[in-house]
Amino acid sequence: GQNIDQPTEMTATEGAIVQINCTYQTSGFNGLFWYQQHAGEAPTFLSYNVLDGLEEKGRFSSFLSRSKGYSYLLLKELQMKDSASYLCALYSGAGSYQLTFGKGTKLSVIP
Amino acid sequence: GAGVSQSPRYKVAKRGQDVALRCDPISGHVSLFWYQQALGQGPEFLTYFQNEAQLDKSGLPSDRFFAERPEGSVSTLKIQRTQQEDSAVYLCASSLHLGARQPQHFGDGTRLSIL
Repeated sequence: GQNIDQPTEMTATEGAIVQINCTYQTSGFNGLFWYQQHAGEAPTFLSYNVLDGLEEKGRFSSFLSRSKGYSYLLLKELQMKDSASYLCALYSGAGSYQLTFGKGTKLSVIP
Repeated sequence: GAGVSQSPRYKVAKRGQDVALRCDPISGHVSLFWYQQALGQGPEFLTYFQNEAQLDKSGLPSDRFFAERPEGSVSTLKIQRTQQEDSAVYLCASSLHLGARQPQHFGDGTRLSIL
């Protein structure tokens, strides 16, 4: 089985940097995805990590440590439009192709 | 189309009625997934298809739930004899292929309310 933990809510100031953590326990692992979801909208793909290390994509970066069962999403130069839920999702592979999502972290960006 | 399209966006039904939810994936995407998302929760897997073949339906909560993709493109999720606990957002996602490096692209979902 799989168990994924994320903080429920976070608040950060416009222009600042915020780190959203995700810890997981799983019997099989082939990748970790981060999605952004605004209320009432589709989850939007942000990044994925298959190997340990940091993946950078503009203002967003994602880090993975497979040995520690840990990932984080780093958002820089926060903008008001970054207020959304951020979902961490595991991909197990090996015949199990679905994503297993955490409950999501609701980020509020304040002026 | 440019993205995954789902219809209807909102559906209200009385308990006991049957409903059908449609998903039109991104053109050329082989894989199609259905998820259920309750309020304040992450999406939960229901089933997925590779072309017209339903490879995994282990997430379907009961035999009242049925999904099909007869021509390997558009998919329909059908719920028979709806119950109040079926109220949720139903999300469809597609990906070019199966695999760890293939992100799933989601539609806006159908918000189903059972009265």
